Amino acid sequence: SQQGEEDPQALSIQEGENATMNCSYKTSINNLQWYRQNSGRGLVHLILIRSNEREKHSGRLRVTLDTSKKSSSLLITASRAADTASYFCATDLNDYKLSFGAGTTVTVRA
Amino acid sequence: ETGVTQSPTHLIKTRGQQVTLRCSSQSGHNTVSWYQQALGQGPQFIFQYYREEENGRGNFPPRFSGLQFPNYSSELNVNALELDDSALYLCASSLVQGGGAGYTFGSGTRLTVV
Repeated sequence: SQQGEEDPQALSIQEGENATMNCSYKTSINNLQWYRQNSGRGLVHLILIRSNEREKHSGRLRVTLDTSKKSSSLLITASRAADTASYFCATDLNDYKLSFGAGTTVTVRA
Repeated sequence: ETGVTQSPTHLIKTRGQQVTLRCSSQSGHNTVSWYQQALGQGPQFIFQYYREEENGRGNFPPRFSGLQFPNYSSELNVNALELDDSALYLCASSLVQGGGAGYTFGSGTRLTVV
């Protein structure tokens, strides 16, 4: 079974709106990472948040982490057509691998 | 050269054949991981190499094997291909073992088994 699960599975928004997606996981983590994937190509690392951090920002991205609830959220503000992609959370259990969820597919309409 | 490069980009093989996929890690990265991503799913960890040694493996059979070379490039070999092996294979490199600073992924190799 996968460690991380994203919600919702799909999201459709208007350009300029904010997009929020959530990730829940099952066991204690070292860090949690968010990646973007365009049209079945390679993954692009967006942001990493460590288990002792609660919030992190990078440009139009804001990530929160609640270790008591074992959940994280990714907020994309002022969305653009170029943000259309699949977004994955991945948990790092301080071992040798990342465990990915099935992803959230975001469509930004012009 | 920066970034992770994978070759080939696309490949079609027949069931029962063998395939080798190649990956050049980002300059300075000594850890390479391989992932399999089936259509509509998240990537699944296959194995990781650190300084030419396998240091972790996911739930994949022994017909999935790999190598890491002294220049930190890597190969993924799959023997006795099955239809279910059709997927996007992703290579990822990182600066530190375990990827505690995040991974750099290549664009992947799309393998189709017919």
